[in-house]
Amino acid sequence: DTAVSQTPKYLVTQMGNDKSIKCEQNLGHDTMYWYKQDSKKFLKIMFSYNNKELIINETVPNRFSPKSPDKAHLNLHINSLELGDSAVYFCASSQQGALGSPLHFGNGTRLTVT
Amino acid sequence: AQSVTQLGSHVSVSEGALVLLRCNYSSSVPPYLFWYVQYPNQGLQLLLKYTSAATLVKGINGFEAEFKKSETSFHLTKPSAHMSDAAEYFCAVSEIDGNKLVFGAGTILRVKS
Repeated sequence: DTAVSQTPKYLVTQMGNDKSIKCEQNLGHDTMYWYKQDSKKFLKIMFSYNNKELIINETVPNRFSPKSPDKAHLNLHINSLELGDSAVYFCASSQQGALGSPLHFGNGTRLTVT
Repeated sequence: AQSVTQLGSHVSVSEGALVLLRCNYSSSVPPYLFWYVQYPNQGLQLLLKYTSAATLVKGINGFEAEFKKSETSFHLTKPSAHMSDAAEYFCAVSEIDGNKLVFGAGTILRVKS
């Protein structure tokens, strides 16, 4: 069973379009994250939700909007896509309240904006 | 804020040789430290973590790391490299509130036959 699954795996789209990436975890974790990995493989957190509540919102353009319908799901919607949004987006989850709890990552969504 | 520095963006070793990947952190309080591995086109997998118990931490696939507070280091080692170890390795430190991990820039490990 896949612990953290995200769809789609690949997403190719044109500038100006709106797209969504979905993420689901079946680990029973309370906290979910979105990370962005750029072309140099640098990983940076974008958002974190704990029990459907936004707890981390890094400096991310407001074209990016996360939505957590329940604690097992965290989706990412991106409006008016730009070339610079091309990256691999990783969803992750961890146990809430356990400091030092490791993150469990999905396999990533490779977004290419043309 | 915590930060992580990985020395060497690329490391190349021969099969059977010692693997040493370097990680230094900055933290104002005792940190929680992690090593993750990323294989091509996959997500990150946890190799090992330090959470203030034993300073020498053993992980999966024969890797281990030693926490040295005096050097603010958490270097990753493996006595004998295997071809399957070729991947990118990320060191990470947990923020004080535990709400996020801050990652280093990664080190690509190449294993030569």
